[in-house]
Amino acid sequence: DAKTTQPNSMESNEEEPVHLPCNHSTISGTDYIHWYRQLPSQGPEYVIHGLTSNVNNRMASLAIAEDRKSSTLILHRATLRDAAVYYCILDGTGANNLFFGTGTRLTVIP
Amino acid sequence: SAVISQKPSRDICQRGTSLTIQCQVDSQVTMMFWYRQQPGQSLTLIATANQGSEATYESGFVIDKFPISRPNLTFSTLTVSNMSPEDSSIYLCSATGTPTDTQYFGPGTRLTVL
Repeated sequence: DAKTTQPNSMESNEEEPVHLPCNHSTISGTDYIHWYRQLPSQGPEYVIHGLTSNVNNRMASLAIAEDRKSSTLILHRATLRDAAVYYCILDGTGANNLFFGTGTRLTVIP
Repeated sequence: SAVISQKPSRDICQRGTSLTIQCQVDSQVTMMFWYRQQPGQSLTLIATANQGSEATYESGFVIDKFPISRPNLTFSTLTVSNMSPEDSSIYLCSATGTPTDTQYFGPGTRLTVL
């Protein structure tokens, strides 16, 4: 499985945008880019996913580089509830086996 | 979407015993998975629970230690056998409707082995 690299931690002020980067230089053409987050004491929850084009949903936006070797999860306005560990995961198996890396712990400062 | 519940939510067990964790999904799903999250760590996939056949285990996990059942499309169990303190972890169940669909996770079962 292709590997992803994320910063261990990031901080953001409340109500400001947050850009969470993910590098995946060994991504293959069939790998989907998934983002999940895990709030404290909860199971992970889906945030967004994409293949080539940028994606938007009610939670976030996903910006994918043209060469697909990196992507950025964008939270447009961070709230305290967004404090979580964010995982960037590649899945190219078609079996949806998610191999979690270490993720980025996002702290939101009031 | 799918709502997933797990039982028990937490347990404290003695070394050498076994614990079966149940995972119930509120709708029929194609795929179910079991993960382990050791203290302070990320999630590690244990196995894919296959309906009506043996589970598919990831490297480092074996059926004798983690037997899994999936009798139907909405239910699965994971047994942690002959437990040792190293098995103290959160065990999470997840499910998805299709291989490329969103994966939904249960709240986890926090296991402590003394």
